[in-house]
Amino acid sequence: QSVLTQPPSASGTPGQRVTISCSGSSSNIGSNYVYWYQQLPGTAPKLLIYRNNQRPSGVPDRFSGSKSGTSASLAISGLRSEDEADYYCAAWDDSLSAPWVFGGGTKLTVL
Amino acid sequence: EVQLVESGGGLVQPGRSLRLSCAASGFTFDDYAMHWVRQAPGKGLEWVSGISWNSGSIGYADSVKGRFTISRDNAKNSLYLQMNSLRAEDTALYYCAKDFYAAMVNGYFDLWGRGTLVTVSS
Repeated sequence: QSVLTQPPSASGTPGQRVTISCSGSSSNIGSNYVYWYQQLPGTAPKLLIYRNNQRPSGVPDRFSGSKSGTSASLAISGLRSEDEADYYCAAWDDSLSAPWVFGGGTKLTVL
Repeated sequence: EVQLVESGGGLVQPGRSLRLSCAASGFTFDDYAMHWVRQAPGKGLEWVSGISWNSGSIGYADSVKGRFTISRDNAKNSLYLQMNSLRAEDTALYYCAKDFYAAMVNGYFDLWGRGTLVTVSS
């Protein structure tokens, strides 16, 4: 049972816009930044969004993040086949002895 | 090239020990906190342990506390994870990850290795 809650799956067709939600609580998303990681099949996770809505160098602007209260979202516009991957949200949690918490991951399928 | 390379994984019996290593290159290793994150087969990510730049601050997930020990050698640009009393539920791909910050406070993982597989089975 992950501390952050994500839908297990999402899907879309090429060119569509899809969103992936991440729900937490006041001790994590509600009071700290949210991060998103992309894990392509068979590879290590890669930082996709940091500090709620910032993109590292090299990440296309098709990817965007947002946060409101104790929830966050990742949006992918102009969906492409290479976006098919697992996506994880993460945040610092003020209340836990193990402060870095992840969502369970969302498998994005491009139909 | 900026990279992290893990090693030391393998098949081990329950109750035995294993030591993982992570070799860092391409950045100033002792400027950053470092972490171990694991992923059980077909499962999500779980933070295991982290260590600040100078080893002054260390943390563990409750699931490994008392059994695992993280350490680093800044002179060798290396991170380690000593895993004792291994259990079947420790079976996972173990990733080494670099923190954006030097301290273990509200950071994030901006560089990951490719992982080393640990299988605990009799």
